[in-house]
Amino acid sequence: GAVVSQHPSWVICKSGTSVKIECRSLDFQATTMFWYRQFPKQSLMLMATSNEGSKATYEQGVEKDKFLINHASLTLSTLTVTSAHPEDSSFYICSARVDRGHGEQYFGPGTRLTVT
Amino acid sequence: EDQVTQSPEALRLQEGESSSLNCSYTVSGLRGLFWYRQDPGKGPEFLFTLYSAGEEKEKERLKATLTKKESFLHITAPKPEDSATYLCAVQAGTGGFKTIFGAGTRLFVKA
Repeated sequence: GAVVSQHPSWVICKSGTSVKIECRSLDFQATTMFWYRQFPKQSLMLMATSNEGSKATYEQGVEKDKFLINHASLTLSTLTVTSAHPEDSSFYICSARVDRGHGEQYFGPGTRLTVT
Repeated sequence: EDQVTQSPEALRLQEGESSSLNCSYTVSGLRGLFWYRQDPGKGPEFLFTLYSAGEEKEKERLKATLTKKESFLHITAPKPEDSATYLCAVQAGTGGFKTIFGAGTRLFVKA
């Protein structure tokens, strides 16, 4: 149980284009989903928290107009990287939590984004 | 300020050589402490949740313990397949109940 999927697992795009990453909780309903970014050999950096039906809460320093997050249902959240640049290349990981307030997060397998 | 510190940064063991990973934390009102395993190029895999001091949980060769200031992940007779990065995270009881991740301990187990 508690499986989270991400699609695509890797993507290469050209500078200036937009890329959408999907995160789905397959066997549970996630009231809260999180988006992280991870650089090589570094820990997770929280980008934003989204609750179903509400606007996402972005961490300080994360551009909300560049990283658009939508959490339209209890099983799906999307992250759209708009006007991507090479510095946006990274490993993006989503996670989902059943309870809005507490509990463990279940992570997706991650998406490797390369912007050329 | 809420903080999570993991030590050591990296640990090299021989197969069968038991050891412990440490997670020290300072947080206002602990709501939960979590351990995850992360393999290269993959998302973290949930291992344990601990809620109160004195609590212990086990899974195969892993055992997690919790005190008021730190948690240990004990690895008994590790195998090469236990090689991974182990992440500790704590959820605070204040400030929006944020979950704070440590930097992780990279474990290498040699056959």
